[in-house]
Amino acid sequence: SQTIHQWPATLVQPVGSPLSLECTVEGTSNPNLYWYRQAAGRGLQLLFYSVGIGQISSEVPQNLSASRPQDRQFILSSKKLLLSDSGFYLCAWTQATYNEQFFGPGTRLTVL
Amino acid sequence: GNSVTQMEGPVTLSEEAFLTINCTYTATGYPSLFWYVQYPGEGLQLLLKATKADDKGSNKGFEATYRKETTSFHLEKGSVQVSDSAVYFCALITDSWGKLQFGSGTQVVVTP
Repeated sequence: SQTIHQWPATLVQPVGSPLSLECTVEGTSNPNLYWYRQAAGRGLQLLFYSVGIGQISSEVPQNLSASRPQDRQFILSSKKLLLSDSGFYLCAWTQATYNEQFFGPGTRLTVL
Repeated sequence: GNSVTQMEGPVTLSEEAFLTINCTYTATGYPSLFWYVQYPGEGLQLLLKATKADDKGSNKGFEATYRKETTSFHLEKGSVQVSDSAVYFCALITDSWGKLQFGSGTQVVVTP
């Protein structure tokens, strides 16, 4: 069966520090991968998606970037965090584009 | 553009009450529709889905019917339990990249 992992589960970082969040999927190959952010009390916003290694599409201009160095690994990064980067970051995968996405447990990021 | 509109929460109910969460959408083409549930501090779980008009998705006592004529996908459960307390998200996919468009979420609180 397929599983999706995210780490760390929680993170507290100072403003201006770098960020690296990791997402890995097991039990499938060539998945589509997605990063979402959920700000406090708000819905989910798609940040990035990837349909293959090295292929990244950005949905919203921002202080973040994404990379996909391996088929089942998706990384969200920042060089300098802003207060507004605080939120709950969710990674998701799907095997076929019109099918449901499966979400990881999320990373709660607090920028102070 | 595509959009999903959900009823505002929180919705507070007593155990064994009937639950309805309204969801309407605007989309080009023929979207696939989903309901996701988020328990406190967790990621999203797929609750049910429908991929074409008049389809009924069902799971764990929840149901939703894809109504193309009213562009709606309302979620219902006949008898809620305290364990159903969560945030419920309506979502759709319309494009070949599989990007989910979410509603703002509806918090449901079930009291004993």
